[in-house]
Parts: sequence; C-alpha cells; structure tokens
Amino acid sequence: GAVVSQHPSRVICKSGTSVKIECRSLDFQATTMFWYRQFPKKSLMLMATSNEGSKATYEQGVEKDKFLINHASLTLSTLTVTSAHPEDSSFYICSATKSGTSGDLRYFGPGTRLTVT
Amino acid sequence: GENVEQHPSTLSVQEGDSAVIKCTYSDSASNYFPWYKQELGKRPQLIIDIRSNVGEKKDQRIAVTLNKTAKHFSLHITETQPEDSAVYFCAAHATGFQKLVFGTGTRLLVSP
Repeated sequence: GAVVSQHPSRVICKSGTSVKIECRSLDFQATTMFWYRQFPKKSLMLMATSNEGSKATYEQGVEKDKFLINHASLTLSTLTVTSAHPEDSSFYICSATKSGTSGDLRYFGPGTRLTVT
Repeated sequence: GENVEQHPSTLSVQEGDSAVIKCTYSDSASNYFPWYKQELGKRPQLIIDIRSNVGEKKDQRIAVTLNKTAKHFSLHITETQPEDSAVYFCAAHATGFQKLVFGTGTRLLVSP
C-alpha cells in the first residue's frame, strides 16, 4: 500500500501563534509532497509543491513567509502556519507521489483541521 | 495553465438511478484524469482514473469516459446507493508536470 499520515488531525490555536503540521509517507519514499487547503464545501486549492532537499514552490497568492514548508527527508514534509489568524482556519491536506514513478498517482493524508480563535 | 470545470455542483438522485458528472479541461497536454470521492472531513479517495490513450474505463458500477478531442471526461455511477453520497472531484494532470488540477466538486446525494 501507500499510506500518508498527518499530524495532528485537529488543532485549535490562538491568534498570533504558530502551528506545525506534519505529513509523513509511512511505507514509501516521496520525492514530492503537495500541500492543499480546503475551505468548507470548496475544492482543494494547491498551496505549494515541496521537493525533498529544495525550496518549496508556492502557488500565486500564497504567502511563503506565512506558510513555511520544509521537506527535509523523503518521508516527511512540514507546513508551519506562522502568526495564525482566524482566516487561516481551514482543512489542510497533504499528498505525496512515490519516488521513481511518473508522479500521476497521488496519495492523500487524512487532513488537519486548523481552528484559529 | 490548466483549468478544470465540473458540473453539476450538486446532484440528487434516487437510489438505483444513475448519476453522471462531467468535467472539461483546457490543457491539451493533460493525459491523466483521476476521480476522487471525498466524505465530510475525510481525505479524497481515488475511485477511478483514466489515461489519455483510452476512451473508457469501467470498474463495477463506476465508469469514466474521455473525449480528448473535446477535452472532456465524465464519471458514470450506475445503480447508485446511499453510501455513494459524497463530494466527487475530477482532476487533470500532465505527466512531467507536478500540478494536479482539481475541478470544483459535485455534491452527490442518493436518497433511499
């Protein structure tokens, strides 16, 4: 199989604090991981593409200094929401592609629901 | 860049009826078209996919058709069941490019 986990599954934080979300590929190596944001009843919006060992590529309109992405190993990528505000409250989902493949198949994590109070 | 449109946004059917969801894409380089089912608060789950070298693919009650000339693809669910109720997303991807572009989603409700 190809399992992707995320931690935490839910987090509540106060406005102005930072939150780190982890995305792990449990049984495969992931050269590339993707971070999505999903608002209620909306589609998945790609925030950034994370390649192991290099800087993430951010989508237009996504603040790289606010959403820090680190992909330090082939099995772990982290998203840190810095100085969180209520408008950052959302469902954050990561996905990964297996190293050595075409990259078409995506394996999704279970998501992290962030609530900023 | 790629743009994927999806219709309808909501679809209500009676149990046993068929459901059809349609998507169009803009980038002729796209060659992989997956469909995902997402239940509330859960991860998207791949239910079927099709590559550009085939026109149709079927897996039990689910089928996908692709018209490359017209740049559209459709999801067909037959004999719908209440547990098919969820949000369905189409997506398009071009091999060699990293971005998977999602459609806007269709909320399917199957009434018993």
